[in-house]
Amino acid sequence: GQQLNQSPQSMFIQEGEDVSMNCTSSSIFNTWLWYKQDPGEGPVLLIALYKAGELTSNGRLTAQFGITRKDSFLNISASIPSDVGIYFCAGPPPSNTGKLIFGQGTTLQVKP
Amino acid sequence: DGGITQSPKYLFRKEGQNVTLSCEQNLNHDAMYWYRQDPGQGLRLIYYSQIVNDFQKGDIAEGYSVSREKKESFPLTVTSAQKNPTAFYLCASSIRATGTEAFFGQGTRLTVV
Repeated sequence: GQQLNQSPQSMFIQEGEDVSMNCTSSSIFNTWLWYKQDPGEGPVLLIALYKAGELTSNGRLTAQFGITRKDSFLNISASIPSDVGIYFCAGPPPSNTGKLIFGQGTTLQVKP
Repeated sequence: DGGITQSPKYLFRKEGQNVTLSCEQNLNHDAMYWYRQDPGQGLRLIYYSQIVNDFQKGDIAEGYSVSREKKESFPLTVTSAQKNPTAFYLCASSIRATGTEAFFGQGTRLTVV
Protein backbone atom coordinates (compact mmCIF):
# COMPACT_ATOMS: atom_id res chain seq x y z
CA GLY A 1 0.00 0.00 0.00
CA GLN A 2 0.93 3.64 -0.02
CA GLN A 3 3.48 4.77 2.49
CA LEU A 4 4.51 7.90 4.27
CA ASN A 5 8.21 8.05 5.06
CA GLN A 6 9.36 10.09 8.02
CA SER A 7 12.85 11.24 8.83
CA PRO A 8 14.76 11.21 10.95
CA GLN A 9 13.61 8.07 12.73
CA SER A 10 14.79 9.47 16.07
CA MET A 11 16.39 12.60 17.48
CA PHE A 12 18.15 13.35 20.73
CA ILE A 13 18.58 17.05 21.33
CA GLN A 14 19.40 19.56 24.04
CA GLU A 15 16.66 21.63 25.63
CA GLY A 16 16.34 24.96 23.83
CA GLU A 17 17.38 23.64 20.44
CA ASP A 18 15.15 23.84 17.38
CA VAL A 19 13.94 20.62 15.76
CA SER A 20 13.02 19.84 12.19
CA MET A 21 11.47 16.67 10.78
CA ASN A 22 9.83 15.77 7.53
CA CYS A 23 7.46 13.39 5.85
CA THR A 24 7.48 12.33 2.22
CA SER A 25 5.29 10.33 -0.09
CA SER A 26 5.66 8.97 -3.61
CA SER A 27 2.11 10.21 -4.29
CA ILE A 28 0.47 13.58 -4.05
CA PHE A 29 -1.50 14.19 -0.87
CA ASN A 30 -4.22 16.80 -0.46
CA THR A 31 -4.12 16.87 3.32
CA TRP A 32 -1.24 16.57 5.77
CA LEU A 33 -1.77 16.02 9.48
CA TRP A 34 0.80 16.10 12.26
CA TYR A 35 0.26 14.23 15.53
CA LYS A 36 2.18 13.78 18.77
CA GLN A 37 1.97 10.65 20.88
CA ASP A 38 3.01 10.45 24.53
CA PRO A 39 3.97 7.00 25.89
CA GLY A 40 0.94 4.76 26.41
CA GLU A 41 -1.49 7.34 25.08
CA GLY A 42 -3.37 7.98 21.85
CA PRO A 43 -1.92 10.47 19.35
CA VAL A 44 -3.04 14.07 19.65
CA LEU A 45 -3.54 16.26 16.59
CA LEU A 46 -1.09 19.16 16.44
CA ILE A 47 -1.57 20.76 13.04
CA ALA A 48 -3.67 20.15 9.92
CA LEU A 49 -2.65 21.40 6.45
CA TYR A 50 -4.96 21.56 3.44
CA LYS A 51 -3.26 23.68 0.76
CA ALA A 52 0.05 23.34 -1.05
CA GLY A 53 2.50 25.87 0.33
CA GLU A 54 0.45 26.43 3.47
CA LEU A 55 2.43 27.34 6.57
CA THR A 56 0.61 26.92 9.90
CA SER A 57 1.76 27.49 13.45
CA ASN A 58 0.57 26.18 16.79
CA GLY A 59 2.61 27.81 19.53
CA ARG A 60 6.23 26.76 19.08
CA LEU A 61 5.25 24.32 16.34
CA THR A 62 5.19 25.22 12.66
CA ALA A 63 4.25 22.90 9.82
CA GLN A 64 4.37 23.37 6.08
CA PHE A 65 2.56 21.68 3.22
CA GLY A 66 5.20 21.15 0.53
CA ILE A 67 4.77 22.81 -2.85
CA THR A 68 5.08 19.46 -4.66
CA ARG A 69 2.28 18.08 -2.42
CA LYS A 70 4.50 15.06 -1.79
CA ASP A 71 6.02 16.26 1.45
CA SER A 72 5.45 18.13 4.66
CA PHE A 73 7.68 19.52 7.37
CA LEU A 74 7.30 20.07 11.11
CA ASN A 75 9.51 22.42 13.07
CA ILE A 76 9.65 22.84 16.84
CA SER A 77 11.39 25.92 18.15
CA ALA A 78 13.12 26.23 21.53
CA SER A 79 12.41 22.64 22.57
CA ILE A 80 11.44 21.83 26.15
CA PRO A 81 11.39 18.49 28.01
CA SER A 82 7.64 18.01 27.50
CA ASP A 83 8.20 17.93 23.73
CA VAL A 84 9.42 14.37 24.23
CA GLY A 85 7.32 11.85 22.34
CA ILE A 86 6.68 10.36 18.94
CA TYR A 87 5.63 12.67 16.11
CA PHE A 88 3.60 11.22 13.27
CA CYS A 89 2.58 12.59 9.92
CA ALA A 90 -0.65 11.30 8.42
CA GLY A 91 -2.98 11.85 5.53
CA PRO A 92 -5.68 10.35 3.33
CA PRO A 93 -4.12 8.91 0.16
CA PRO A 94 -5.73 10.43 -2.96
CA SER A 95 -6.42 6.95 -4.30
CA ASN A 96 -8.71 6.30 -1.34
CA THR A 97 -9.56 9.34 0.72
CA GLY A 98 -11.64 7.25 3.12
CA LYS A 99 -8.41 5.85 4.55
CA LEU A 100 -6.03 7.66 6.86
CA ILE A 101 -2.48 6.39 6.82
CA PHE A 102 0.43 7.23 9.10
CA GLY A 103 4.17 7.49 8.81
CA GLN A 104 6.38 5.37 11.04
CA GLY A 105 7.07 8.31 13.36
CA THR A 106 9.98 10.41 14.59
CA THR A 107 10.94 9.80 18.22
CA LEU A 108 12.13 12.94 19.96
CA GLN A 109 14.11 12.97 23.16
CA VAL A 110 15.06 16.23 24.86
CA LYS A 111 17.89 16.48 27.35
CA PRO A 112 17.28 19.10 30.06
CA ASP B 1 -17.79 15.91 27.67
CA GLY B 2 -17.43 14.93 24.03
CA GLY B 3 -14.81 12.45 23.12
CA ILE B 4 -13.81 9.01 22.02
CA THR B 5 -13.57 6.27 24.62
CA GLN B 6 -11.77 2.97 24.42
CA SER B 7 -12.16 0.30 27.02
CA PRO B 8 -10.57 -1.39 28.76
CA LYS B 9 -7.15 0.29 28.99
CA TYR B 10 -5.42 -3.06 29.59
CA LEU B 11 -6.67 -6.47 28.51
CA PHE B 12 -5.21 -9.92 29.03
CA ARG B 13 -6.38 -13.00 27.18
CA LYS B 14 -5.31 -16.56 26.73
CA GLU B 15 -4.09 -17.68 23.36
CA GLY B 16 -6.87 -19.03 21.18
CA GLN B 17 -9.61 -16.85 22.65
CA ASN B 18 -11.44 -14.18 20.73
CA VAL B 19 -11.54 -10.77 22.39
CA THR B 20 -13.55 -7.64 21.61
CA LEU B 21 -12.23 -4.12 22.13
CA SER B 22 -14.73 -1.34 22.65
CA CYS B 23 -14.69 2.06 20.96
CA GLU B 24 -17.42 4.65 21.51
CA GLN B 25 -17.61 8.27 20.38
CA ASN B 26 -20.15 10.98 21.18
CA LEU B 27 -18.76 13.50 18.70
CA ASN B 28 -21.32 12.66 16.01
CA HIS B 29 -18.44 11.73 13.69
CA ASP B 30 -19.19 9.80 10.53
CA ALA B 31 -15.89 7.94 10.15
CA MET B 32 -14.16 5.59 12.57
CA TYR B 33 -10.85 3.76 12.36
CA TRP B 34 -8.91 1.01 14.11
CA TYR B 35 -5.11 0.96 14.19
CA ARG B 36 -2.54 -1.39 15.59
CA GLN B 37 0.76 -0.13 17.03
CA ASP B 38 3.69 -2.37 17.88
CA PRO B 39 6.64 -1.18 20.02
CA GLY B 40 8.69 1.39 18.17
CA GLN B 41 6.40 1.23 15.17
CA GLY B 42 3.94 3.48 13.44
CA LEU B 43 0.19 3.03 13.22
CA ARG B 44 -1.11 0.41 10.85
CA LEU B 45 -4.71 0.56 9.69
CA ILE B 46 -6.82 -2.50 10.48
CA TYR B 47 -10.36 -1.47 9.48
CA TYR B 48 -12.22 1.74 8.82
CA SER B 49 -15.84 2.75 8.45
CA GLN B 50 -17.19 5.81 6.69
CA ILE B 51 -20.85 5.24 7.49
CA VAL B 52 -23.11 3.06 9.60
CA ASN B 53 -23.44 -0.54 8.42
CA ASP B 54 -20.43 -0.24 6.13
CA PHE B 55 -16.71 -0.81 6.69
CA GLN B 56 -13.58 -1.57 4.69
CA LYS B 57 -10.43 -3.55 5.30
CA GLY B 58 -7.28 -1.61 5.99
CA ASP B 59 -3.74 -2.80 5.41
CA ILE B 60 -3.65 -5.54 8.09
CA ALA B 61 -7.25 -6.83 8.42
CA GLU B 62 -6.46 -10.54 8.59
CA GLY B 63 -7.46 -12.05 11.93
CA TYR B 64 -9.70 -9.11 12.87
CA SER B 65 -13.39 -8.32 12.46
CA VAL B 66 -15.51 -5.23 13.09
CA SER B 67 -19.10 -4.07 13.06
CA ARG B 68 -20.71 -0.63 12.71
CA GLU B 69 -24.32 -1.06 13.76
CA LYS B 70 -24.49 2.36 15.41
CA LYS B 71 -22.83 5.62 14.43
CA GLU B 72 -21.19 6.02 17.81
CA SER B 73 -19.78 2.50 18.18
CA PHE B 74 -17.11 0.57 16.26
CA PRO B 75 -16.01 -2.55 18.20
CA LEU B 76 -13.00 -4.57 17.08
CA THR B 77 -12.78 -8.33 17.59
CA VAL B 78 -9.35 -9.89 17.65
CA THR B 79 -9.90 -13.48 16.63
CA SER B 80 -7.85 -16.57 17.32
CA ALA B 81 -6.75 -16.41 13.68
CA GLN B 82 -4.62 -13.36 14.42
CA LYS B 83 -1.15 -14.87 14.77
CA ASN B 84 0.44 -12.13 16.85
CA PRO B 85 -2.34 -10.24 18.65
CA THR B 86 -0.31 -8.65 21.46
CA ALA B 87 -0.18 -4.94 20.63
CA PHE B 88 -1.49 -1.47 21.43
CA TYR B 89 -4.81 -0.84 19.68
CA LEU B 90 -6.01 2.64 18.86
CA CYS B 91 -9.44 3.78 17.75
CA ALA B 92 -10.07 7.10 16.03
CA SER B 93 -12.95 9.05 14.55
CA SER B 94 -13.30 11.97 12.17
CA ILE B 95 -16.21 14.24 11.41
CA ARG B 96 -16.35 13.41 7.74
CA ALA B 97 -15.49 10.30 5.82
CA THR B 98 -12.74 11.84 3.75
CA GLY B 99 -9.72 13.98 4.25
CA THR B 100 -10.26 15.45 7.70
CA GLU B 101 -8.58 15.31 11.06
CA ALA B 102 -9.04 12.19 13.16
CA PHE B 103 -9.19 12.19 16.94
CA PHE B 104 -7.97 9.25 18.97
CA GLY B 105 -9.02 7.36 22.05
CA GLN B 106 -6.57 6.47 24.81
CA GLY B 107 -5.84 3.04 23.40
CA THR B 108 -6.16 -0.55 24.65
CA ARG B 109 -3.07 -2.58 25.36
CA LEU B 110 -3.86 -6.21 24.61
CA THR B 111 -1.60 -8.95 25.93
CA VAL B 112 -2.19 -12.52 24.86
CA VAL B 113 -0.49 -15.19 26.92
